[in-house]
Amino acid sequence: DAGITQSPRHKVTETGTPVTLRCHQTENHRYMYWYRQDPGHGLRLIHYSYGVKDTDKGEVSDGYSVSRSKTEDFLLTLESATSSQTSVYFCAISESIAGGTTDDEQFFGPGTRLTVL
Amino acid sequence: GQQVMQIPQYQHVQEGEDFTTYCNSSTTLSNIQWYKQRPGGHPVFLIQLVKSGEVKKQKRLTFQFGEAKKNSSLHITATQTTDVGTYFCAGLTSGTYKYIFGTGTRLKVLA
Repeated sequence: DAGITQSPRHKVTETGTPVTLRCHQTENHRYMYWYRQDPGHGLRLIHYSYGVKDTDKGEVSDGYSVSRSKTEDFLLTLESATSSQTSVYFCAISESIAGGTTDDEQFFGPGTRLTVL
Repeated sequence: GQQVMQIPQYQHVQEGEDFTTYCNSSTTLSNIQWYKQRPGGHPVFLIQLVKSGEVKKQKRLTFQFGEAKKNSSLHITATQTTDVGTYFCAGLTSGTYKYIFGTGTRLKVLA
């Protein structure tokens, strides 16, 4: 498995509290992604990064912010958690996008299960 | 915005039967990927298709990319219990860095 970890792995929090999830990679891959997974919705992209300090929104970015101050870490912050943000969150990394001769394989972390009460 | 739909949502098959899942995009794709997620696990990359009409095989799995690069399929021949899981397609639109995942097809194989 690619060197990608997520912390914490499980978290229970209350509505209105801030929450930060961390994704850490040891692969030196340029691209990093945050997805959420909910039954019936598959994987939905929240935010992604295409380099240090370079980030952009995905499909479901409202209520979330991200930061990437160094290659290996990508943080996802819920400023004020709501019950609708109860989900499993996956981080993914990729070495290239549309590189042509190589696959854009995304390596996924183990996931963080977040419950907002 | 771009949408990627997958059908069916669920499929139960007897071991040894074939299985197919279909992926349809609302926009033309640069390429498409397929992932498998075992229950309780994380998605794992299976394959990437880039060319119009491309067909790739991995043992019992056959992947196709449509001529218009808007649809794709995954076919499993003679399913085994180890094929259990959810299969996702993910499409990349030209000029973007983000893949849009389909809703997934959950496969159950009955022994």
